[in-house]
Amino acid sequence: ETGVTQSPTHLIKTRGQQVTLRCSSQSGHNTVSWYQQALGQGPQFIFQYYREEENGRGNFPPRFSGLQFPNYSSELNVNALELDDSALYLCASSLGAGGYNEQFFGPGTRLTVL
Amino acid sequence: KQEVTQIPAALSVPEGENLVLNCSFTDSAIYNLQWFRQDPGKGLTSLLLIQSSQREQTSGRLNASLDKSSGRSTLYIAASQPGDSATYLCAVRPGANSKLTFGKGITLSVRP
Repeated sequence: ETGVTQSPTHLIKTRGQQVTLRCSSQSGHNTVSWYQQALGQGPQFIFQYYREEENGRGNFPPRFSGLQFPNYSSELNVNALELDDSALYLCASSLGAGGYNEQFFGPGTRLTVL
Repeated sequence: KQEVTQIPAALSVPEGENLVLNCSFTDSAIYNLQWFRQDPGKGLTSLLLIQSSQREQTSGRLNASLDKSSGRSTLYIAASQPGDSATYLCAVRPGANSKLTFGKGITLSVRP
């Protein structure tokens, strides 16, 4: 059974640029959630995708957008990058979107915005 | 709005000590609570998941308890080892979807 994978591992961008981060969910999981973790903070929920539809969103502006594909892999897109977007971006997958489903996290993508 | 607090932010103990990490949350209406471990710059490893109907869960040297009525959870680590050094995060699932609300974590250092 393959766990959650994310790519790339590290990324450096400049202000105003756009970035796409990718996540492959654990085998059999149909739900993907994205989190942003700033240095020294707990992860903050960005949004969740369930069967290719957005199924909940945290307090993030519209320049944070996402997609989920038929194979349940997912992308996080961030437009017009700002310095405060520098963070570890974590993807988590689960079997179903219900509250009882355990989430399994990937290793994260470290984004640095200069 | 659900808030999760973990105090202290950092803890240093000698090897072999039994220790307790605390987590508190403001709204007792949760589906479950999860404890995670995070090594520096890495992703999250799930340690224990306690459903709202449960009082505790155990895995090896780890034991997590949940008291919903008081809004508290504890993670007990027996016979701590230097390899246990990491940040421990507590997260609750406040509603019917899978969004997790995290605390800021406790950074544990176990001295040889």
